[in-house]
Amino acid sequence: TQLLEQSPQFLSIQEGENLTVYCNSSSVFSSLQWYRQEPGEGPVLLVTVVTGGEVKKLKRLTFQFGDARKDSSLHITAAQTGDTGLYLCAGRWGGSARQLTFGSGTQLTVLP
Amino acid sequence: DTAVSQTPKYLVTQMGNDKSIKCEQNLGHDTMYWYKQDSKKFLKIMFSYNNKELIINETVPNRFSPKSPDKAHLNLHINSLELGDSAVYFCASSRGSFSNQPQHFGDGTRLSIL
Repeated sequence: TQLLEQSPQFLSIQEGENLTVYCNSSSVFSSLQWYRQEPGEGPVLLVTVVTGGEVKKLKRLTFQFGDARKDSSLHITAAQTGDTGLYLCAGRWGGSARQLTFGSGTQLTVLP
Repeated sequence: DTAVSQTPKYLVTQMGNDKSIKCEQNLGHDTMYWYKQDSKKFLKIMFSYNNKELIINETVPNRFSPKSPDKAHLNLHINSLELGDSAVYFCASSRGSFSNQPQHFGDGTRLSIL
């Protein structure tokens, strides 16, 4: 079974602060996605990264895929209360395990 | 317009009962999924169908039986419900089975077993 670890599990910060959350695996991803889930709703895709070293920006969110494609990070600049939610990374590995496997998530709370 | 809709949103029932959750997508996707999210927010795939054919069947008790009457619908029937079945069940769909296309999720069905 492929495992995907996310850290931290919980993060509570003040509005305006910066933060980074991490997603790690011992295996190489063929691709990785980040989702955000708000209470009472399903996850919504933020980004897909495929190439090692790739960096993608989505407004104040910066996603990085590790050079070895075993890890990824999500950096939020000047967090806002609307960024509050559960951030999930989801990896796809090659071979027979081609379905999407989700990490355990980082619950982010941005306080006003 | 709702893309992936699942009903009911809440389901409270007694242990031992049989229940069904329905899911429909109007995105024209060919692949649909059922996921289970536990109390620690861990989201785990249960089943996936591509064009009405079962392609993923994770280690799930055979009390859970998915059924796809057409590629826009994937229902989940659960027999003899147990306390451990309490969770939020999410339906999702995507274009393609093992591609990098986004998975679109419904809002979940919160199942509580008394």
